[in-house]
Amino acid sequence: AQSVTQPDIHITVSEGASLELRCNYSYGATPYLFWYVQSPGQGLQLLLKYFSGDTLVQGIKGFEAEFKRSQSSFNLRKPSVHWSDAAEYFCAGEAAGNKLTFGGGTRVLVKP
Amino acid sequence: GAGVSQSPSNKVTEKGKDVELRCDPISGHTALYWYRQSLGQGLEFLIYFQGNSAPDKSGLPSDRFSAERTGGSVSTLTIQRTQQEDSAVYLCASSYPDRGRDGYTFGSGTRLTVV
Repeated sequence: AQSVTQPDIHITVSEGASLELRCNYSYGATPYLFWYVQSPGQGLQLLLKYFSGDTLVQGIKGFEAEFKRSQSSFNLRKPSVHWSDAAEYFCAGEAAGNKLTFGGGTRVLVKP
Repeated sequence: GAGVSQSPSNKVTEKGKDVELRCDPISGHTALYWYRQSLGQGLEFLIYFQGNSAPDKSGLPSDRFSAERTGGSVSTLTIQRTQQEDSAVYLCASSYPDRGRDGYTFGSGTRLTVV
């Protein structure tokens, strides 16, 4: 079955430090991959997406993600975290049929 | 509009009542989706509309759930005889047929509480 896994439920990072959120997928073929961010009481905002081509994808708010086929991973990174990055982050994959399968989310807490 | 609009933002209903949730997608987006976000189940696909094609209803959890999309634009998700397990945030999203263009754009959701 198609699945997306985010191994870390919570991550705490100091402001200014780097951040990496892990995402692993299990699909028959390489799916379209997305990272979304959700602030409390808000919907999902698209940070970046991978469809094909360059395996390093740049997104909004200074985020980037690297697609690694050999590891079935699509990890999200940011070199220097700001307090406003505290939120929940969701990795998602789309296979045939335009249906997104989401990971369980990683909640990021930023310490001053 | 500038984004995906959902109404109401919050809805409290009594068990057994019917509810209607509305989604107004981005103009020009021919695809529309409903997802449900709950503590126990995370984010789950419910239903997908693409243009005039028959919708993909494979994610609807029971026959109490239905959705329609009128005129290829606004969509209504209806839950009949609500149960407490229906309490969740219902998210609507829309997209161009080519998701490589802008991905999926989500609304802010409707928080449904069944008491």
